[in-house]
Amino acid sequence: EVQLVESGGGLVKPGGSLRLSCAASGFPFITYTMNWVRQAPGKGLEWVSCISSSSSYIYYADSVKGRFTISRDNAKNSLYLQMNSLRAEDTAVYYCARGAGDYVWGSQDYWGQGTLVTVSS
Amino acid sequence: EIVLTQSPGTLSLSPGERATLSCRTSQSVSSTYLAWYQQKPGQAPRLLIYGASARATGIPDRFSGSGSGTDFTLTISRLVPEDFAVYYCQHFGGSPITFGQGTRLEIK
Repeated sequence: EVQLVESGGGLVKPGGSLRLSCAASGFPFITYTMNWVRQAPGKGLEWVSCISSSSSYIYYADSVKGRFTISRDNAKNSLYLQMNSLRAEDTAVYYCARGAGDYVWGSQDYWGQGTLVTVSS
Repeated sequence: EIVLTQSPGTLSLSPGERATLSCRTSQSVSSTYLAWYQQKPGQAPRLLIYGASARATGIPDRFSGSGSGTDFTLTISRLVPEDFAVYYCQHFGGSPITFGQGTRLEIK
């Protein structure tokens, strides 16, 4: 069974940092592109970033470029999102989602339960 | 950036009725890169349709997708109570991946 479990969310002050983690199991993590998608309270879905299976290709939404860094550790079946210079508008539930197996670009067929990040003073 | 516009914003229907949800893209896209998701309150999104018309694993056949170019449609043939949720279309053919704003399907 595919499982994605996010952790690391919490309350942080504007300008602060947070590191999210996603533990993957039940599939060959090393062969899949992985994504972070967020959802502000009461709002729609916003794609944040993706990383290819070997970390060769990394992409970010303009809203987080230069502040967030996606990474993965295939030996640990884990995905990460380092978030710096956090702003109030980064407040959201952050989902880890599995992407394509063979290509960078694919739909997201499995999602974690999400972790809430709140940026507030 | 490909902008996706979904309509209507809210759709009020009764169980047993047919639902038709629309997604329009700001420029012509390959149907290969068009997906639909369902999200219920407090839950993560669930992939329904990818490649504009292929059902994801375990999705009932009352869900169908169609369209090409700039106009795509998600159809639910006969609504059952668990279908009432928010639906998002998505284009994933490059960076940035973009979502529509969502259509809320509510019980009439």
